[in-house]
Amino acid sequence: DAGVIQSPRHEVTEMGQEVTLRCKPISGHNSLFWYRQTMMRGLELLIYFNNNVPIDDSGMPEDRFSAKMPNASFSTLKIQPSEPRDSAVYFCASSLGGPGSSYNSPLHFGNGTRLTVT
Amino acid sequence: QKEVEQDPGPLSVPEGAIVSLNCTYSNSAFQYFMWYRQYSRKGPELLMYTYSSGNKEDGRFTAQVDKSSKYISLFIRDSQPSDSATYLCAMSDPGGSARQLTFGSGTQLTVLP
Repeated sequence: DAGVIQSPRHEVTEMGQEVTLRCKPISGHNSLFWYRQTMMRGLELLIYFNNNVPIDDSGMPEDRFSAKMPNASFSTLKIQPSEPRDSAVYFCASSLGGPGSSYNSPLHFGNGTRLTVT
Repeated sequence: QKEVEQDPGPLSVPEGAIVSLNCTYSNSAFQYFMWYRQYSRKGPELLMYTYSSGNKEDGRFTAQVDKSSKYISLFIRDSQPSDSATYLCAMSDPGGSARQLTFGSGTQLTVLP
């Protein structure tokens, strides 16, 4: 099991540029989550997909952020245009289960993408 | 006030010490309680998971939940340098928008050899 795979591991970009973060969940997992982690705010849920459908995107900070899950094995988080305050570590996580299911299926996190916007 | 409060530390202990990590919370609807461990430059990994009140033990780790006090703890016995990491508590409300975890800010632990 390769775990959750995120790319790139590091991204440095200039303000105003478009940034695309990628995630491959664990095969067979049907729930996918995007989180953002900063020193000030800790781990924040941005968006949650179940069976490729966005269930809750209330954590997406602004319209500059968008996420897609075109199939069960791939998701993207896009920031356009990027701003320095978007600098953070972005984690993707996946699990088996759905709304109302038990929490015996833990979240499996990738190793994150460290984004720096200058 | 945050829904989940966790002392960020840093906490530094000698090898072999008993470590106590704690979180308090305000949402009485939380029923599932978890502890995640996060090594530097890595994603969080689930360490312990409990439902409602009580204790759960797994090797050197014990998780305690006191719902009356809205307080959860993680104890590490015979701490090892390999336990050096950031520990995040997390909890969820089964009636909420499914599978949303509320995380604490994390406590950074260093176990000195």
